[in-house]
Amino acid sequence: NAGVTQTPKFRVLKTGQSMTLLCAQDMNHEYMYWYRQDPGMGLRLIHYSVGEGTTAKGEVPDGYNVSRLKKQNFLLGLESAAPSQTSVYFCASSYFGYGGGSSSYNEQFFGPGTRLTVL
Amino acid sequence: GQSLEQPSEVTAVEGAIVQINCTYQTSGFYGLSWYQQHDGGAPTFLSYNGLDGLEETGRFSSFLSRSDSYGYLLLQELQMKDSASYFCAPRDDKIIFGKGTRLHILP
Repeated sequence: NAGVTQTPKFRVLKTGQSMTLLCAQDMNHEYMYWYRQDPGMGLRLIHYSVGEGTTAKGEVPDGYNVSRLKKQNFLLGLESAAPSQTSVYFCASSYFGYGGGSSSYNEQFFGPGTRLTVL
Repeated sequence: GQSLEQPSEVTAVEGAIVQINCTYQTSGFYGLSWYQQHDGGAPTFLSYNGLDGLEETGRFSSFLSRSDSYGYLLLQELQMKDSASYFCAPRDDKIIFGKGTRLHILP
């Protein structure tokens, strides 16, 4: 049981290049999320998905696209990288959230992160 | 709109008790989660409050008041390893994190 994995762990891009970050989870979670974390800014939600074939915008979606073709995978794409996209990217997954008191249904599991530098 | 407020930094002494407050304003709300993140690591789940009141997990407790849009994380018997950033995260379909609270622990 690997939990949430992210590929790659590190990447350096030149301005204008494209790339795809892959997130995979083996916990059969419905919900998946992409965040970016910059110094002093906390975690900001880029896009999220509430199920296979669905995606939605988060707080900072501009410059990114996502796809959720399979339940276990959530891809984050940068079509034309910019230096402002230099960041640490975290993927996370969780069960369907509901208003009950159970922690087990509301825990969000994070991947180890991808450190991206755009020159 | 959405907003999330928690102190940027808190300092406490080893063995003491510290409380980190969180106030939030969201369009939808299922409950409030708390996460811990050590430098260079990924956030890890600490607790979740779906209902008003106190949830206790070992040395950590978390409280929620839905009517006040307020919660807190209480850390008891502080240890040096508790030095980290702590995030409150209200959730509906999406989970929003704020800038977090940096906890410094003095020996």
